[in-house]
Amino acid sequence: DAKTTQPTSMDCAEGRAANLPCNHSTISGNEYVYWYRQIHSQGPQYIIHGLKNNETNEMASLIITEDRKSSTLILPHATLRDTAVYYCIVRVRAGGGGGADGLTFGKGTHLIIQP
Amino acid sequence: DAEITQSPRHKITETGRQVTLACHQTWNHNNMFWYRQDLGHGLRLIHYSYGVQDTNKGEVSDGYSVSRSNTEDLPLTLESAASSQTSVYFCASSDRQGYEQYFGPGTRLTVT
Repeated sequence: DAKTTQPTSMDCAEGRAANLPCNHSTISGNEYVYWYRQIHSQGPQYIIHGLKNNETNEMASLIITEDRKSSTLILPHATLRDTAVYYCIVRVRAGGGGGADGLTFGKGTHLIIQP
Repeated sequence: DAEITQSPRHKITETGRQVTLACHQTWNHNNMFWYRQDLGHGLRLIHYSYGVQDTNKGEVSDGYSVSRSNTEDLPLTLESAASSQTSVYFCASSDRQGYEQYFGPGTRLTVT
């Protein structure tokens, strides 16, 4: 799996958009970009994933640059409950055996939403 | 609603004892995973399974074993607990496509 680089921590004001960057300059053509988050003392939670097109769901938007070397997760209207560690993960969709491989978590970005 | 549960949520055991952590999912997912999380590290993969009777080693499998006798359960066994295995353990599952993994609430294990 390609390596990712994220800032250690970020602050954002409540109600504003939170933009979390991720660098994955060695990404391969068949690798997806995934975002998960982990709220304190809970299990990680899936947010969104994408291959090359921008994606949006009820939680967030994912913007992937045209060369796919970086991406940005956008939480459009951050709330205090969005305070968490956010992980950017790059991997192929499924392993060679037909099943899905485990995820490789780095240290992520600690996003703190300020009231 | 479908869910994934872990038990116990907290466990204290002594060095050398065998310990089994339970993971149960009602998503009917083929894939199940065990991770551990330590301070200063992200989650690290211990073992995973693609289906009944299938198990595979992950990044940090030494000292751990799993077995998959049905779709719903993947128990994690520490054969002889060591202090280095004090950690928070997370179980997860996904369907065959594997886009999204659903994580359990975690088990905090302390080995004294």
